[in-house]
Amino acid sequence: QVQLVQSGAEVKKPGASVKVSCKASGYTFTSYDINWVRQATGQGLEWMGWMNPNSDSTVYAQKFQGRVTMTKSTSISTAYMELSSLRSEDTAVYYCARGHWSQGLYFGMDVWGQGTTVTVSS
Amino acid sequence: EIVLTQSPGILSLSPGKRATLSCRASQSVSSIYLAWYQQKPGQAPRLLIYGASSRATGIPDRFSGSGSGTDFTLTISRLEPEDFAVYYCQQYDSSLRWTFGQGTKVEIK
Repeated sequence: QVQLVQSGAEVKKPGASVKVSCKASGYTFTSYDINWVRQATGQGLEWMGWMNPNSDSTVYAQKFQGRVTMTKSTSISTAYMELSSLRSEDTAVYYCARGHWSQGLYFGMDVWGQGTTVTVSS
Repeated sequence: EIVLTQSPGILSLSPGKRATLSCRASQSVSSIYLAWYQQKPGQAPRLLIYGASSRATGIPDRFSGSGSGTDFTLTISRLEPEDFAVYYCQQYDSSLRWTFGQGTKVEIK
């Protein structure tokens, strides 16, 4: 079945970087965008950026420009999100989500990973 | 940047009642880029509606979306126990960026 499986929880110190993986299965990895969305405890959803695995194009939210990098490995159908210069406010659950586009029409973020908890603490 | 404002913040209703959730954009949004998601505690969000009014695969027909321009609505015709959750609207703008609303919590009255 179509699914996205993310890497496990991380604990990082302030100033460090974290790299979260998102492995796709059940569909053609390069045919759909991968978005990254985070959610702090008790807060709403915050979109961080997307990557097109076919073209390697990326678009990041202004808030994360310069701190986030989204990459992929096509051979293993895996997307990565790296966030640097971590601070306590980056403590959150990070989700990857498949963006479904077809012929210029958008069909939503229709498949989500299970989430990866990142804790930033000294 | 387009800001999405959802109202109310909390909606307290009994099962069987109709729920009407609002999502207002700070400027006009293309309907084809407006989506709604449901999130339950401890779970990832689930896509409900895309293109403002099209139900995603497997979504019951008690969920419907409508609206255009700056005003969009998610309606749940008769609340089932499993519908009590937080709902988010989402839009995509000309800068190729997505934005979520802050969410509406539908709770049992």
